[in-house]
Amino acid sequence: DAGVIQSPRHEVTEMGQEVTLRCKPISGHDYLFWYRQTMMRGLELLIYFNNNVPIDDSGMPEDRFSAKMPNASFSTLKIQPSEPRDSAVYFCASSTTDRSAYNEQFFGPGTRLTVL
Amino acid sequence: RKEVEQDPGPFNVPEGATVAFNCTYSNSASQSFFWYRQDCRKEPKLLMSVYSSGNEDGRFTAQLNRASQYISLLIRDSKLSDSATYLCVVTVSNSGYALNFGKGTSLLVTP
Repeated sequence: DAGVIQSPRHEVTEMGQEVTLRCKPISGHDYLFWYRQTMMRGLELLIYFNNNVPIDDSGMPEDRFSAKMPNASFSTLKIQPSEPRDSAVYFCASSTTDRSAYNEQFFGPGTRLTVL
Repeated sequence: RKEVEQDPGPFNVPEGATVAFNCTYSNSASQSFFWYRQDCRKEPKLLMSVYSSGNEDGRFTAQLNRASQYISLLIRDSKLSDSATYLCVVTVSNSGYALNFGKGTSLLVTP
């Protein structure tokens, strides 16, 4: 079975440019999470969706960040305009409400973003 | 103050050693607890859940102390392949599914 798929795997852009990160969750999973990981702050939850509906976006740093989930198999995280401090690894994860899954979240390989 | 605190290490131990990691969390309403493992430049993966009664999975033992808001992970007979970062994870209090991650403890097992 395919795991969580993220694209691109690496992104290098210049300050001020728009960046769009993409995620395809595991089929059948009804929760989708976006995280950001840096050395200084570790892994931070940005936003999560349940059945395509945003539940909690309190972790989104500021208005420059937005996330959408137009259907059960696709989500985007957009940064506009990007800034050097946005440089990080962005992970997408998905999970299911199946209680036997012990709330396990399955992570994608991440997108390594560098903003120059 | 971060909600989940871990000693970042690194812990350098020889093969065969026993090593223990600790973690504290600040939100007493947290309901579920986990250890995730993250290899260098890879994504985190679930290592094991942590139950109030304590639980064991092979060489790994996890303990939870709700009164002290403290979680531990014990690794016995360390293998070279255990070298990784171990992330302590608790659920966000108002959700059963959103997770708070500690910054991780780095383990290096040497020959």
